Amino acid sequence: DIQMTQSPSSLSASVGDRVTITCRASQGIGNYLAWYQQKPGKVPQLLIYAASTLQSGVPSRFSGSGSGTDFTLTISSLQPEDVATYYCQKCSSGPLTFGGGTKVEIK
Amino acid sequence: QVQLQESGPGVVKPSGTLSLTCVVSVGSISSSSWWSWVRQPPGKGLEWIGEIFPSGNTHYNPSLSSRVTVSLDRSKNQFSLKLTSVTAADTAVYYCATRSGFDPFDYWGQGTLVIVSS
Repeated sequence: DIQMTQSPSSLSASVGDRVTITCRASQGIGNYLAWYQQKPGKVPQLLIYAASTLQSGVPSRFSGSGSGTDFTLTISSLQPEDVATYYCQKCSSGPLTFGGGTKVEIK
Repeated sequence: QVQLQESGPGVVKPSGTLSLTCVVSVGSISSSSWWSWVRQPPGKGLEWIGEIFPSGNTHYNPSLSSRVTVSLDRSKNQFSLKLTSVTAADTAVYYCATRSGFDPFDYWGQGTLVIVSS
């Protein structure tokens, strides 16, 4: 089965900083990769699908890139409301594995 | 816009069976979507459990497949999860969710906490 590995597991950054989260698949998954944001006590929300397509209503400071095995979620200018845990997920055939998550905090 | 709502016991005894239902209150369970279950142990990450298509085709997480059954009831517009031989490690918030084709989960229920305890 394909494993999804996120890094880092947590990060602390200042408001306005550029933040980058990486997700690596153990085998190629094309662009079948999604990113979710989960705020404390809340339901996960879809941010990005097909590796780089922004879900409707998601602020443009979020962007995704990559294909094959290496993917990136970028927050261009971190805002206080972005404090959350971010998960990647493979959406190709087979088990719909999530990455382990990246907790983003404000410094 | 699809609306999902989980229901079921909040406490299950060890070695027992966890049974949850997800009602599709807006939308049709007969649509061309996968109906899924995801769980999240307290303080931990998300784990996909399994899913069912209206045709009855199912996919399961290999790590849980020996204990999991996902089924669908068209007459009640709902789908269900059964997880047998539960232990404390199965304590989690259980979410139902839906997706189409190879898309990600675009609609989720609010989640229900299930504690495995005697």
